[in-house]
Amino acid sequence: ELKVEQNPLFLSMQEGKNYTIYCNYSTTSDRLYWYRQDPGKSLESLFVLLSNGAVKQEGRLMASLDTKARLSTLHITAAVHDLSATYFCAVDRSNSNYQLIWGAGTKLIIKP
Amino acid sequence: GAVVSQHPSWVICKSGTSVKIECRSLDFQATTMFWYRQFPKQSLMLMATSNEGSKATYEQGVEKDKFLINHASLTLSTLTVTSAHPEDSSFYICSARARSRVADTQYFGPGTRLTVL
Repeated sequence: ELKVEQNPLFLSMQEGKNYTIYCNYSTTSDRLYWYRQDPGKSLESLFVLLSNGAVKQEGRLMASLDTKARLSTLHITAAVHDLSATYFCAVDRSNSNYQLIWGAGTKLIIKP
Repeated sequence: GAVVSQHPSWVICKSGTSVKIECRSLDFQATTMFWYRQFPKQSLMLMATSNEGSKATYEQGVEKDKFLINHASLTLSTLTVTSAHPEDSSFYICSARARSRVADTQYFGPGTRLTVL
């Protein structure tokens, strides 16, 4: 059974700082997704990582995937308040059918 | 961009009644739609996978007679919570996989908050 673990689950940080959220998963998969969720809202797709070594960047967020280590990271550079949200990673357990198993989420609070 | 809508946005119903939630892909054809539920401050749990014109595939532990899914067309899937009880109260989110999009992702609806009294 595929399990997805995120850490930390909660993170409070000051604006301008850097930090990394980690996503570990237990079985082989080549598809990993990062999503953002604001309170009471649905999910916004941030990154889709489809191969070992994939690295994608958008603004202050950068995601990477190491399929051998079964690890993805979401790195935040010089955080700003607008990035406060809950971030989820999700892994496609089937490699083709987009049946996603989700991490518990990381609630990120960025203080001005 | 791809847009997925859900209706209603929120619903409050009495215990024992049935509630239908609609999920529509507005500007693309969805080969597959997914239904999730999310409890407060928790992650998403995949409930079922629905392909157009065929029966939904339910995850282990999800009662198919309680959560009826119909994917009647390439743009519409419905989830009916039958004989709802307070423990069914949750945030229900659908997502859709686009048929012809190059981007390999799912597009999520805004969610439906169900409260059963």
